[in-house]
Amino acid sequence: DAGVIQSPRHEVTEMGQEVTLRCKPISGHDYLFWYRQTMMRGLELLIYFNNNVPIDDSGMPEDRFSAKMPNASFSTLKIQPSEPRDSAVYFCASSLNQGPYEQYFGPGTRLTVT
Amino acid sequence: AQSVTQPDIHITVSEGASLELRCNYSYGATPYLFWYVQSPGQGLQLLLKYFSGDTLVQGIKGFEAEFKRSQSSFNLRKPSVHWSDAAEYFCAVGKASGTYKYIFGTGTRLKVLA
Repeated sequence: DAGVIQSPRHEVTEMGQEVTLRCKPISGHDYLFWYRQTMMRGLELLIYFNNNVPIDDSGMPEDRFSAKMPNASFSTLKIQPSEPRDSAVYFCASSLNQGPYEQYFGPGTRLTVT
Repeated sequence: AQSVTQPDIHITVSEGASLELRCNYSYGATPYLFWYVQSPGQGLQLLLKYFSGDTLVQGIKGFEAEFKRSQSSFNLRKPSVHWSDAAEYFCAVGKASGTYKYIFGTGTRLKVLA
């Protein structure tokens, strides 16, 4: 089992540029979650999907952020335009649709916006 | 409102000493409870989980946790800490009714002295 795969692992970009983060969940998992981790705010849930459908995007900070899940094995988180305050580690996690619904996390993408 | 509290931001122990990390939650029903560990530069790894049955649960890496309903606690323990246990530890609660969002604690950073 390959686990949750995220790419890239590191991304450095300039303010104003578009950034796309990618995630491949564990095969067979029904739920996919995007989190952001910063020193100031800790772990924040941005959005989650069930069977490729966004269920709760209340954590998405603003319209500059968007997420898609075109199929069961791929999701993207896009930031356009990026700002320095978006610098953080972004995690993707997935889980099965059965108790106790434990989430399995990817290694994260460290984003630096200069 | 649901919440998870990890009262200790930092803990330092000597190698070989015992460890207890505290976690208190606020939730109306029996929650699903989890402990995760995050090593520097890594994603979150599930240590153990509780959702029913025996209130003392065993996890990976020699960790255990005890669910105490009367105290709304789910403390993590290890009888003898190894230097490789130095990491950040997160407690999380998920709703037992099947809502898939976690509430994470703010984390406890463990330092191990040689």
